[in-house]
Amino acid sequence: KAGVTQTPRYLIKTRGQQVTLSCSPISGHRSVSWYQQTPGQGLQFLFEYFSETQRNKGNFPGRFSGRQFSNSRSEMNVSTLELGDSALYLCASREDRGRGGELFFGEGSRLTVL
Amino acid sequence: GENVEQHPSTLSVQEGDSAVIKCTYSDSASNYFPWYKQELGKRPQLIIDIRSNVGEKKDQRIAVTLNKTAKHFSLHITETQPEDSAVYFCAGLSGGYQKVTFGTGTKLQVIP
Repeated sequence: KAGVTQTPRYLIKTRGQQVTLSCSPISGHRSVSWYQQTPGQGLQFLFEYFSETQRNKGNFPGRFSGRQFSNSRSEMNVSTLELGDSALYLCASREDRGRGGELFFGEGSRLTVL
Repeated sequence: GENVEQHPSTLSVQEGDSAVIKCTYSDSASNYFPWYKQELGKRPQLIIDIRSNVGEKKDQRIAVTLNKTAKHFSLHITETQPEDSAVYFCAGLSGGYQKVTFGTGTKLQVIP
């Protein structure tokens, strides 16, 4: 099976712009979650989607949003970018059989905001 | 919601020594505790996990222990090797939708 794929891998934006990141999960995985990783801040949970519905949400402002399509692919969007949004954004998928389960991470999208 | 605290934030050990990383969680309903390893420039990957009905689990040089009463769990790495150098994240899962909450990570350095 192909792994979790994220695009783009690298991108540079300026303050005030918006960005859309994409994540294709492992085939058969219906859960996709997003994390922001910055040095010293670990893995900050953004949100999780399951069957096109957001079912868990972290403590990020409304500028961060996401969605999931019927084929389980997910996108996240950040509007009105700020310098502090510079980070590695990781998505992860899991089978989700109701008892936790392993998260499979993509390689991430590294966003730089100038 | 769940809160997971992880200590220490950095850890240096001599090759061959043991390393221990500890995590505490707040939600007594949490029932699954995975550990992820993230090597420099790579994605996090699961290395071991434990469910709440088990007190200890071992996989070669890696073991995890769980104390449900005290709400803490620990990762033990014995006979450390340079390739064990990485950032390790603990996590707890809770709630009907099994929301994953990660600890803040421990940077382990194994000195040859």
